[in-house]
Amino acid sequence: QSALTQPASVSGSPGQSITISCTGTSSDVGDYNYVSWYQQHPGKAPKLMIYDVTNRPSGVSNRFSGSKSGNTASLTISGLQAEDEADYYCSSYTSSSTHYVFGTGTKVTVL
Amino acid sequence: QLQLQESGPGLAKPSETLSLTCTVSGGSITRSSYYWGWIRQPPGKGLEWIGSIYYSGSTYYNPSLKSRVTISVDTSKNQFSLKLSSVSAADTAVYYCARHDWNDCWFDPWGQGTLVTVSS
Repeated sequence: QSALTQPASVSGSPGQSITISCTGTSSDVGDYNYVSWYQQHPGKAPKLMIYDVTNRPSGVSNRFSGSKSGNTASLTISGLQAEDEADYYCSSYTSSSTHYVFGTGTKVTVL
Repeated sequence: QLQLQESGPGLAKPSETLSLTCTVSGGSITRSSYYWGWIRQPPGKGLEWIGSIYYSGSTYYNPSLKSRVTISVDTSKNQFSLKLSSVSAADTAVYYCARHDWNDCWFDPWGQGTLVTVSS
């Protein structure tokens, strides 16, 4: 089971919106609504930002939103802020024996 | 507030067994519907799920590591543990423990992580 494909980097200016894609297959992203997104600042543990494609855990800013179309899930950050600069990983349940697969990770840079 | 903390040696020798423990505080490890998982991240690389355990002892492992991994739970201490045998330099990574919602497939919260280096 290969990792889900994410762009290596995405950048934007403060206040702008950016979108990070996460491409899988019909065995994972395409067939299940169990996509989650994690934010990881340097040297820190990942933090859950989105689960079940679109749901935000309590305490996560509503500037973060998730969606899915076909085999591709997306994370959108609106009103980009300096504190959003971090690595972002998607994850999905997979029907393969691996059970779970993470994305390759995307570095978000705030210009 | 639920918190998880990894502990264990930061150095392991090649071919030996890596052992780590995750202590859960602020909540019971026996709470139903949650599994408890281990995830690792090699330096500068992405995340890899290692495996997860239910308080009853039921386990699921990543097939790529299954032959070398054992995850166990000690409900009396509110802890769960990871053993990875026959380690090599490729197993050098930050190891995280996390609460794992098996039904909705997310991990939260995570421990701070502990770096384990495999070197002679």
